[in-house]
Amino acid sequence: AQSVAQPEDQVNVAEGNPLTVKCTYSVSGNPYLFWYVQYPNRGLQFLLKYITGDNLVKGSYGFEAEFNKSQTSFHLKKPSALVSDSALYFCAVRDDQAGTALIFGKGTTLSVSS
Amino acid sequence: DGGITQSPKYLFRKEGQNVTLSCEQNLNHDAMYWYRQDPGQGLRLIYYSQIVNDFQKGDIAEGYSVSREKKESFPLTVTSAQKNPTAFYLCASSRDSQYEKLFFGSGTQLSVL
Repeated sequence: AQSVAQPEDQVNVAEGNPLTVKCTYSVSGNPYLFWYVQYPNRGLQFLLKYITGDNLVKGSYGFEAEFNKSQTSFHLKKPSALVSDSALYFCAVRDDQAGTALIFGKGTTLSVSS
Repeated sequence: DGGITQSPKYLFRKEGQNVTLSCEQNLNHDAMYWYRQDPGQGLRLIYYSQIVNDFQKGDIAEGYSVSREKKESFPLTVTSAQKNPTAFYLCASSRDSQYEKLFFGSGTQLSVL
């Protein structure tokens, strides 16, 4: 069965500092990995995805994520955080051999202070 | 503009009542999904449909029902069998491919009176 874990409920970072939001996954086949962001009382917005190829994926708003197959991780990163990055971030995975829908982690709240 | 429309934004349910949440998309997407969001629990899959007139149960389908009679529409009914329906419900759609991203609606907040 496929699953995804976000080990941190909340990440706090000062504006201008680098940020990392962690994600690990478990699948039987090959993973399709996604990051989404949610602002209060809104739907989710797509940030980036990894399907195959280069392990470093670049996405919207200056975010990037690194796929690490040996550690089964897909951490979200940004070199310099903005206050406007404060939101709820979700990692999601789909197993290419399971044929099911996207499974989401519990989410990590990112708080960027000025 | 293309997108996904969920209605109503807020919905209240009385004891023993069935309520239906609407989800419409004009993106010409084949696949549609319903997720439930509870604080601290992330998004949990209720039902999904990859093609008209077909749908599959997700992880928490008990107490819910869906239909997919038209490509554009995927309504969710919360039945009286769902004993803890208070949550934020999100509808999404995607092209029919495992590596396509999901597009989300703005959600419906369901509360029990």
